[in-house]
Amino acid sequence: EIVLTQSPGTLSLSPGERATLSCRASQSISVTYLAWYQQKPGQAPRLLIYDISRRATGIPDRFSGSGSATDFTLTISRLEPEDFAVYYCQQYGTSPLTFGGGTNVEIK
Amino acid sequence: EVQLVESGGGLVQPGRSLRLSCAASGFTFDNYVIHWVRQAPGKGLEWVSGIRATGSHLGYADSVKGRFTISRDNAKNSVYLQMDSVRPDDTAFYYCARPLDTGWGPFQYWGRGALVTVSS
Repeated sequence: EIVLTQSPGTLSLSPGERATLSCRASQSISVTYLAWYQQKPGQAPRLLIYDISRRATGIPDRFSGSGSATDFTLTISRLEPEDFAVYYCQQYGTSPLTFGGGTNVEIK
Repeated sequence: EVQLVESGGGLVQPGRSLRLSCAASGFTFDNYVIHWVRQAPGKGLEWVSGIRATGSHLGYADSVKGRFTISRDNAKNSVYLQMDSVRPDDTAFYYCARPLDTGWGPFQYWGRGALVTVSS
């Protein structure tokens, strides 16, 4: 099983600041099958980034993904009030598919 | 419009069984993998299982292997999760999800979830 470790667990930032979230895999990810999701309380997750760096439909360009092999990053260039949420990474190339434990981006 | 609607959740006693359903609409159902993902209250996401369009599964999370069974009925545009020998740690919201394209992922479309509570 590929274990995904996200850091930090909580990120306290102010609107307008840059957020950098990390996702580290226990082994190399198959091809480019790494995604990021945003989840707000009481809602289902929303796909933000897939194939490491491709933005899903309707996702603003302040969200970007990068990385390779075992180290991946989600960057939010300038935090908007609606961006404060929990973010999960996921690998979908190897069964069992796995999610990271999440990073909570909270208002400082 | 793609829609996924889960049903069948509720309160169940430890050791009993429950079957969740996921009704799909708005797309050609038998072209897509469908997954189940769960989330315990206040916790993170856990992939449970997925099933190919042909009906073969993609595997199961270790935590449910041997107890849960995924299946689908393409004529009814539905996927099911048979949950046997449930335990208190199976308490969670259960989401069904559809990938962006005809591969395994990523998960573009999600239902609203069904709450399963395992308690005596």
